[in-house]
Amino acid sequence: DVKVTQSSRYLVKRTGEKVFLECVQDMDHENMFWYRQDPGLGLRLIYFSYDVKMKEKGDIPEGYSVSREKKERFSLILESASTNQTSMYLCASSFWTNNEKLFFGSGTQLSVL
Amino acid sequence: GIQVEQSPPDLILQEGANSTLRCNFSDSVNNLQWFHQNPWGQLINLFYIPSGTKQNGRLSATTVATERYSLLYISSSQTTDSGVYFCAGGNTGNQFYFGTGTSLTVIP
Repeated sequence: DVKVTQSSRYLVKRTGEKVFLECVQDMDHENMFWYRQDPGLGLRLIYFSYDVKMKEKGDIPEGYSVSREKKERFSLILESASTNQTSMYLCASSFWTNNEKLFFGSGTQLSVL
Repeated sequence: GIQVEQSPPDLILQEGANSTLRCNFSDSVNNLQWFHQNPWGQLINLFYIPSGTKQNGRLSATTVATERYSLLYISSSQTTDSGVYFCAGGNTGNQFYFGTGTSLTVIP
């Protein structure tokens, strides 16, 4: 079975801290994504990556950065966490071609106090 | 980007009832998917359906690509069907636009 694993289910951080969210997939997918989910707003794309060391901004990249050093791992970094970054963060992956399904991890609920 | 509208936003059903969820797109998409988010937050891919009709057990989906909408049918609903249903679509392999979801509650 397809597996996308996010390192933490719940995370509580202080304002100004540097936060790392990790995501690992075991399906040899080229594409990896980071979304945030907020009530009433659906899922919004933060960043995606289509290859190792490649990254593209999504719709809401401000305040975030990403790292993809290995094909299976995609990290989301909050350089200086703020309270408005309290959210559910979802990692996803897919094959590169367009007609492929998107698979999600179980999410990380981040609270910034 | 592409705007995705889902309806209804909320739905409460008695167990055993049928329902239809709708997803409208502001532009054509050639990759359309339906997801179910369970109460624990896990998003499960239900269908990849850029056009036509597919069935999986009590669930089926139909996409009319020329009219830019898709329907998800749930028959004989069960309490385990509760959660939020999302549709998402795009035209490249790396950009999916999501609707705001339909929150379904099935009561016994």
